[in-house]
Order: sequence, then structure tokens, then C-alpha cells
Amino acid sequence: AIRMTQSPSSLSASTGDRVTITCRASQGISSYLAWYQQKPGKAPKLLIYAASTLQSGVPSRFSGSGSGTDFTLTISCLQSEDFATYYCQQYYSYPSTFGPGTKVDIK
Amino acid sequence: QVQLVESGGGVVQPGGSLRLSCAASGFTFSSYGMHWVRQAPGKGLEWVAFIRYDGSNKYYADSVKGRFTISRDNSKNTLYLQMNSLRAEDTAVYYCAKPPGVGATPADWFDPWGQGTLVTVSS
Repeated sequence: AIRMTQSPSSLSASTGDRVTITCRASQGISSYLAWYQQKPGKAPKLLIYAASTLQSGVPSRFSGSGSGTDFTLTISCLQSEDFATYYCQQYYSYPSTFGPGTKVDIK
Repeated sequence: QVQLVESGGGVVQPGGSLRLSCAASGFTFSSYGMHWVRQAPGKGLEWVAFIRYDGSNKYYADSVKGRFTISRDNSKNTLYLQMNSLRAEDTAVYYCAKPPGVGATPADWFDPWGQGTLVTVSS
């Protein structure tokens, strides 16, 4: 199975900050990568698919980039509702696998 | 709008069985493959199983192969997960999740997810 890693595992930031989360795949996955946001006690919510395509209804301050093995999720101007855990997922090959998550909390 | 509602979770002893259900609405359920994904308490996400739209093919994570069975009843718009020989490490919130299109594969992204149902395996 393809192994996904994320860095950092957690970060503290303030409202208005620019935040970047990195995801790396153990082998090339082209652009078959999705990003999810999860808040405590809630189901994950899709933010981005195909590495850089914003899901309908997701604010434009979220963006994704990358291909091959290295990917980034950027939040351009952090809002209070963005404090959550973020997961990347590869769907290049079965079984689909997730990164361990990055928790974004308030500084 | 698309809605997925899981049920059937609870506390079960090691070695026991449980069947989860996921009631789907707001889309043509019989045209879509469907997935189960789980999350152990305080841990990350793990894909569990996938079934094609007509039930003809099923795929499982190695961690559950031979113990879990995914199935569906398209007449009832319901997805199931039969879990046998349960272990402590199966303790998790179980989510059903819809793939993006009708040509779903065992590897997809998921949108939306249900609210989840908690399974606790403990003596």
C-alpha cells in the first residue's frame, strides 16, 4: 500500500495567518490526491480533489498544489472556523490511504 | 441533498458480531459504488471496504478481510457492513462514504460522509 505522510503533525496559528501543510506519498500518485477537514466529533469534509480542484462550496482561501509525490494545502488567511485537523488521501491505487493528519489550533 | 445515515453501532465483546447499516437518500443509490471508512478514537482514517453499484465486486482492507462483509440492498437504498470475529482494534467510528461518480472504483475520494456510528469492542 502507498504510505502517506504529513508535516507538521500539528501547528499553532493565529487568525489571518497563512498556513501551509505538506503531504508526501511513498510513490508517485500523479494528481490523485484529496484533502479533508475534520472538526471534533464530526465527519471529514472534502476540501480539494485532484490535488488542486476546489470542491464546490469550499472557500477560495483554501488551495492545493503538487503532483507526483509532494503536495501542499494552503490556507491563505486563516479564519476561526478553520481550526481543525486536515488529512490528505491518495486514491491513485487500491487500497486508498490517508495521511496521519495535521491539527491546526489557536496560538 | 445527499444524505447518509449510519446505524447499528454499539458495544460488543471480542469475538462477537455486529451489522452496520447506512441509509442513503438524495441520489440514485443503485448507480453508485459505496465505501466504508473507519476512525479509531483519537486516530486517523482507514479505508475499510468498497462495493460496486450492483454488488458484483467487493474489496476489503487487509485488516478486515475474511471477517467483514460489505453488502447492499438497492431496493432499500441501504448499505451494510457485517462485522464478525471482532477485535479490540476494530473499535472505531465507522463512516459510510459516497464516491464522486457512477464509475466508482475501490480507490476514490469521498463526498459526502455520513455522521458515523461508534463500534466499541470490549469485554
